[in-house]
Amino acid sequence: GAVVSQHPSRVICKSGTSVKIECRSLDFQATTMFWYRQFPKQSLMLMATSNEGSKATYEQGVEKDKFLINHASLTLSTLTVTSAHPEDSSFYICSAREGWDRQRSSYNEQFFGPGTRLTVL
Amino acid sequence: AQTVTQSQPEMSVQEAETVTLSCTYDTSENNYYLFWYKQPPSRQMILVIRQEAYKQQNATENRFSVNFQKAAKSFSLKISDSQLGDTAMYFCAFMKHSAGNQFYFGTGTSLTVIP
Repeated sequence: GAVVSQHPSRVICKSGTSVKIECRSLDFQATTMFWYRQFPKQSLMLMATSNEGSKATYEQGVEKDKFLINHASLTLSTLTVTSAHPEDSSFYICSAREGWDRQRSSYNEQFFGPGTRLTVL
Repeated sequence: AQTVTQSQPEMSVQEAETVTLSCTYDTSENNYYLFWYKQPPSRQMILVIRQEAYKQQNATENRFSVNFQKAAKSFSLKISDSQLGDTAMYFCAFMKHSAGNQFYFGTGTSLTVIP
């Protein structure tokens, strides 16, 4: 299957600083990318959906000014955690999908990145 | 709204035995997809199997098969001949059959394969 990378895989930062996480689709063009957050031993919670060239759509309860998402190209989306605090410590996962094929009206598989572990001290 | 329920937080199975993981969901949609994803200790999400709701035939991928009961909104995963590498978290997920929609994940089942 297609490959999605995330960078960095781990990051430790001090409280109050900002952290940027990159999500890249390596061998396909990702019209849509999704950002998830996962706490230990819990499920993936969708934070936001980003479409290339447009503003991200945030899920209810997710602060868009705190979690800035940019999807500037068809292969790159970034999540910036601004003014990070210890409660932002979590595992962040992105996924990417090619454009929806309306003619075929078929499912375009979603590919997951390996995740980024953020620890805020 | 769509909800996905996995009622078994933890399960274990002896190596080479068969185990079934349960999943139920609630939706008013008629066309949708259902998935089982595996998340090993590496935390990488791996697609195990996918089922289109309009297909009556249950999906099968090697040792993995599903029992899809659309009327009952049930989607269980059967793992045959369990292997140590099957030890992981397993998430059931739902996706509507339309553009731009996201996954709705269940809470997960932690499966341990015992040697």
